[in-house]
This record gives sequence, C-alpha cells and structure tokens, in this order.
Amino acid sequence: TQLLEQSPQFLSIQEGENLTVYCNSSSVFSSLQWYRQEPGEGPVLLVTVVTGGEVKKLKRLTFQFGDARKDSSLHITAAQPGDTGLYLCAGLRGTSYDKVIFGPGTSLSVIP
Amino acid sequence: DSGVTQTPKHLITATGQRVTLRCSPRSGDLSVYWYQQSLDQGLQFLIQYYNGEERAKGNILERFSAQQFPDLHSELNLSSLELGDSALYFCASSGGAGSFYEQYFGPGTRLTVT
Repeated sequence: TQLLEQSPQFLSIQEGENLTVYCNSSSVFSSLQWYRQEPGEGPVLLVTVVTGGEVKKLKRLTFQFGDARKDSSLHITAAQPGDTGLYLCAGLRGTSYDKVIFGPGTSLSVIP
Repeated sequence: DSGVTQTPKHLITATGQRVTLRCSPRSGDLSVYWYQQSLDQGLQFLIQYYNGEERAKGNILERFSAQQFPDLHSELNLSSLELGDSALYFCASSGGAGSFYEQYFGPGTRLTVT
C-alpha cells in the first residue's frame, strides 16, 4: 500500500508566527500538489510541483519538492487567520490519475 | 464559487438503499472526478470520466458506479449502502484529461447512512 504521510496532524499557532508542514512518502512521485480545504467546502488547489528540488512561492506560502521527489514541505510566513484550514498533499505516480494518493492532511488553526 | 455544482447537499438514507449523486462541471470542462472523504480514510479518488468515457479508476467499490452524460454532467450511483459509506462525496472538474490538470472541486454531498 502506498502511503503519503503528513506532519504534524494538528497545528495551532498565533497570528504572525511562521510554520512548516511536511508531506513524506517512500514512493517517488512524478508530481505533487498541495490543497487547502475549509470546513464544509471542497479542496482548493494551491500549487503543483513537478521537478525535484523545485521551489514555488505563492505570496506568504513557499512550497518545496524534495530532490528525490518523495517529499514536500509547505512553509507559511506570518500566518493569518485566513490560513486556517486542512492542508492536503496529493502525489501522483506515473501519468495516470488512478495512481494518485492523498495524505491525511494537516489541520491548521491560526488564532487572532 | 468553483463553478462546479453538486446535488443534493445532504442525503440521509438507510442501509441497503441506493442513491444517486449528481455533478455539473464548470462550463467547458470535459473531465469529471469523484472523490470520497471520510474521517478514517481521508480523501480518496474514486473515478474519472473524460468526455463521456471512463479515464481512470481509483478505490471505487463494485457497489458504486458512475457515468458521464453527453451534456457532461455526471452521476455517482451508490447501491447496497452500508454504514461505512457515510462520507462526504466530492466532484471535481478540469479542462483536460491528463493527470494533475487543475481541478475545481464542488461543495460536496454529505451522505449519512443509518
């Protein structure tokens, strides 16, 4: 069974703090995505990374794909209450979507 | 608003019953994906259709089936329902057929099996 692990499972921080969440696997992925999901809504795509070592920035969010394409991190600078939500990573092996696996998510709460 | 619509929003039914969930993709999107999200299993990909044809199959049970119609809307049929089928069911759509095109998720249907 292919597993995608995320850590931490839960994170509660004060507004303005920095944080990093991780997505790890023993599998090599052709690409990896990060989503944010708010309660009662569907996930929203944040980023897709495809190249080992790739770094992408989206305002205060920085995403990195590991050199070996087995892991990824999401760093948030100066967290805001609007960042609250469930952060999911999804990894794809090969080119067919039937190989996609999702991590269990990191639930982030940013306290004003 | 992602542009993807799902009906119904909530559904409560009994074990052994059959239900149909409906999804309308964003205008112009040809691919529709179905997902199941539960507390113990997380988000799982069930099945993808592209322009009416099955494109990829994930962890979809044999009791579940789906189809995409000529007008591109899709239906997910769940039969012989069990308590463990209680979950959020999401539909997503994308413009392309290949993997990891940007997908837009609908608001979901919350299914409760009693």
